Amino acid sequence: GQNIDQPTEMTATEGAIVQINCTYQTSGFNGLFWYQQHAGEAPTFLSYNVLDGLEEKGRFSSFLSRSKGYSYLLLKELQMKDSASYLCAVRDLGSGGSYIPTFGRGTSLIVHP
Amino acid sequence: DAGVIQSPRHEVTEMGQEVTLRCKPISGHDYLFWYRQTMMRGLELLIYFNNNVPIDDSGMPEDRFSAKMPNASFSTLKIQPSEPRDSAVYFCASSLTDRVAKNIQYFGAGTRLSVL
Repeated sequence: GQNIDQPTEMTATEGAIVQINCTYQTSGFNGLFWYQQHAGEAPTFLSYNVLDGLEEKGRFSSFLSRSKGYSYLLLKELQMKDSASYLCAVRDLGSGGSYIPTFGRGTSLIVHP
Repeated sequence: DAGVIQSPRHEVTEMGQEVTLRCKPISGHDYLFWYRQTMMRGLELLIYFNNNVPIDDSGMPEDRFSAKMPNASFSTLKIQPSEPRDSAVYFCASSLTDRVAKNIQYFGAGTRLSVL
C-alpha cells in the first residue's frame, strides 16, 4: 500500500512563488505525477518525475527525491487562474500486478490579488 | 481525438434505482480506470482494465457496484441498487503503456451522481 501526504490548503499572492510538497511511502516506486484540478472539472496532467531532480516546464517545475520519498511542485509568477487543487500521484506495483498511480488527497491552492 | 468521453454528465436518481455510467476511452489506449471522488475521501480508484480485462477491482465498495468493458472503446460502471452514500463524482480515465506516453492518465469530464 501507499501513504501519500500533502497539505490540505495553501494560499498565495498573485505574482508570487508557491511550493506544494508531497511525501510518500511506498515500495516498488515507478514514477510520480502532478495533476491540476479546477473546481468542477477533471484532473489534468502537469508533470512526471521518475528520476531524482528537477523537471521544468514553463512556470511550473517539479522535483523528486526518491531516497527521501519527497516531491514538490513549484509554481512561479502565480496567476489567479492557478487557483485549483493540485494532486500528487505515486505509481507503484498494484495488487493487480500492473504499475498504477495512487492519488493523494490534493492541495487546494487559493491565489488572491 | 476528442479525449475521454463520459455520459451522462449529471445523474439524479432515487435510492434503490439502478444507475449506469458510461465511458469511451481515447482510441488506442490500453488501460481504463474508474475513480470516485468525494470531499471526504478524495480520488479513489474503483477498478481498472488492461486490454478490456478487469485487473483489480479491490476498490469497488461492495457487490452493488459492477463494471464491464465489452470492447476497447466502451466501458460501463453500474450501481444497483443505488444509495445516498454513492453520491459523488465518478471519473473515467485512460492511459497508454508506452515509454513516451509515460502512462499519463487522461480523465473524462466526470459524472456527478446524486442519489436522493
